[in-house]
Amino acid sequence: QQKVQQSPESLIVPEGGMASLNCTSSDRNVDYFWWYRQHSGKSPKMLMSIFSNGEKEEGRFTVHLNKASLHTSLHIRDSQPSDSALYLCAASMGNYAQGLTFGLGTRVSVFP
Amino acid sequence: DTTVKQNPRYKLARVGKPVNLICSQTMNHDTMYWYQKKPNQAPKLLLFYYDKILNREADTFEKFQSSRPNNSFCSLYIGSAGLEYSAMYLCASSAGHANTEVFFGKGTRLTVV
Repeated sequence: QQKVQQSPESLIVPEGGMASLNCTSSDRNVDYFWWYRQHSGKSPKMLMSIFSNGEKEEGRFTVHLNKASLHTSLHIRDSQPSDSALYLCAASMGNYAQGLTFGLGTRVSVFP
Repeated sequence: DTTVKQNPRYKLARVGKPVNLICSQTMNHDTMYWYQKKPNQAPKLLLFYYDKILNREADTFEKFQSSRPNNSFCSLYIGSAGLEYSAMYLCASSAGHANTEVFFGKGTRLTVV
């Protein structure tokens, strides 16, 4: 059983549309969530992080966190073909760097 | 430069032979990590160095070794490769204190035959 569950596994979005991705941790010790984006053949790159309850917006990307349910979501508005990628959710915890626990990812395809 | 470099990008190894993968970063990061990624599986943390201290995950403790001769370099060593080691190996680094961004390399794809 994955400690970090992501849904859906894949998502097809029309250009200009909204993509919504979900992630939940079953480990109550986590206190930080990360969203990474990985284009084909490239390294994963951090998109956004969140540790406080509520919402955080950066450009077309919005991330929500509910700490009580350990659920985070990523929303991409006005999706572009360049947003087509694998989106990895990860969780971390602790007072010093211990690494990230990843989910399986959501593959997003944006078609023109 | 926020780059983590991995060499080689692709490696072919024979069953029973040793494998050594190399990683470097120039961000002066305290912590360097190695992850293993297999198809349809999440990236899995194998081990990490915090400064000179090596931390290995319990379930991969005996399968992988690592060394960090200086702050910039870190290697991942497999003493005797088995077919199950075929995977993408991702090196990463971070500034070391909790909850700072982790930067990843492009990975080394290891195929064991």
